[in-house]
This record gives sequence, structure tokens and C-alpha cells, in this order.
Amino acid sequence: AQKITQTQPGMFVQEKEAVTLDCTYDTSDPSYGLFWYKQPSSGEMIFLIYQGSYDQQNATEGRYSLNFQKARKSANLVISASQLGDSAMYFCAMREIKGGSEKLVFGKGTKLTVNP
Amino acid sequence: GAGVSQSPSNKVTEKGKDVELRCDPISGHTALYWYRQSLGQGLEFLIYFQGNSAPDKSGLPSDRFSAERTGGSVSTLTIQRTQQEDSAVYLCASSPIGGWSSPLHFGNGTRLTVT
Repeated sequence: AQKITQTQPGMFVQEKEAVTLDCTYDTSDPSYGLFWYKQPSSGEMIFLIYQGSYDQQNATEGRYSLNFQKARKSANLVISASQLGDSAMYFCAMREIKGGSEKLVFGKGTKLTVNP
Repeated sequence: GAGVSQSPSNKVTEKGKDVELRCDPISGHTALYWYRQSLGQGLEFLIYFQGNSAPDKSGLPSDRFSAERTGGSVSTLTIQRTQQEDSAVYLCASSPIGGWSSPLHFGNGTRLTVT
């Protein structure tokens, strides 16, 4: 079974600084997709960024980038120039496709606090 | 366009009562998912619907939980004889068919409190 591990329950960063949120995954499948979601205190789940297992380049979306190290099975999210509005829970997830079904398997999340 | 819509946004029920939670996915999205998020926890997969295929119910925690999807669109998650441990936020998501890279689009969830 696939597994996602986020080892940082909480992280703190100063406004305007960069922060890296860790995510490691475990799978024996050669094909997979990795996602990061943001969940503010309002509760909505906001899709941030996607990385495919065969993508040669690290994914980037605005201030978000993904440090994808396939051999180490890690897909860390980098947020540059942190803003107060970045304070939220961040979830790493892997798409699992098996036997005609599919789902995203989520890690337990990291709570990011951006300090002014 | 409109996102995933869930109702009610909050539900308080007494232990032992049945509840129904509704999800209206994004128009044209063929895949629909239900997840559960307990306080301070990650998301737990419950059930997956794709078109007219048989749903994947492997995540349902007990036979008190059931879900249906009518006409390939709206879905209802039913919890019978609710227990206090059922208290959680129930999230619905949809995605277009399209394999690895299609993100799930989530609704704002239904917060269920069982007293």
C-alpha cells in the first residue's frame, strides 16, 4: 500500500522568508502522481501543485515549487517569500490507481505559521 | 464556474439518529470521492464513484455507512445509527476523468457533530 509521511507537525517562518515542507512517499509503482494541498482555517482544500513521476523538471506554480528527489522518494514543497496568508495546514498526497479505482492518499499534514 | 457544493455545512445530531450528507460535484466531472477528516487529522478515504462503474467502497469504516450517486451527478452519504466517533468533517471532491495529473476539487465539507 502507498504511504505518505509528513514528519513536521508544525513549522514556523518569518514573513518574506522561504520555507520547505517535507514529504516522503512509499510506493512500488513506477507511475504515480504527487499533489500538495493547502487547507486554511476556513477548511477548504486548495490544490497547489502537481508532480508526475516521469516529469523531468521540478514543478513550479508561482511562489510554490516542488523539490522532487525521485531516488529518495521525497517531494518537498518550497514556499518562497512567505506571506501571512500562507498560514494553514499543508497536505501532501499521492494518487493511487488500482483495480479500476483511484484515490488520493494523504499525509497527516504540516501546520505552517507565518510570523510578521 | 460553480465548485463542488456540499450541504448542510453543519449538522448536529443525537447519537443513534441517521444522517444524510449531500454532494453536488462540478458539472462534467465523472469522478466523485468522499473523505472524512477528524479533528486535527489528515483525510481518510471513504468511497469513490466513476461514471456507471461499481463504486469502490473499500474505505467505508462500517456497514452503517453507505453512499449512492444518482444519474452520475449528485451523491448522498448516509450514516445510520450515528455514534460519537462519527463526528468529523466529511469532504466531497470531484475530478474529470484523466489519470494521474487531475487534481481533486473539494467542497467546503459538512461538519458533523454527534451528541
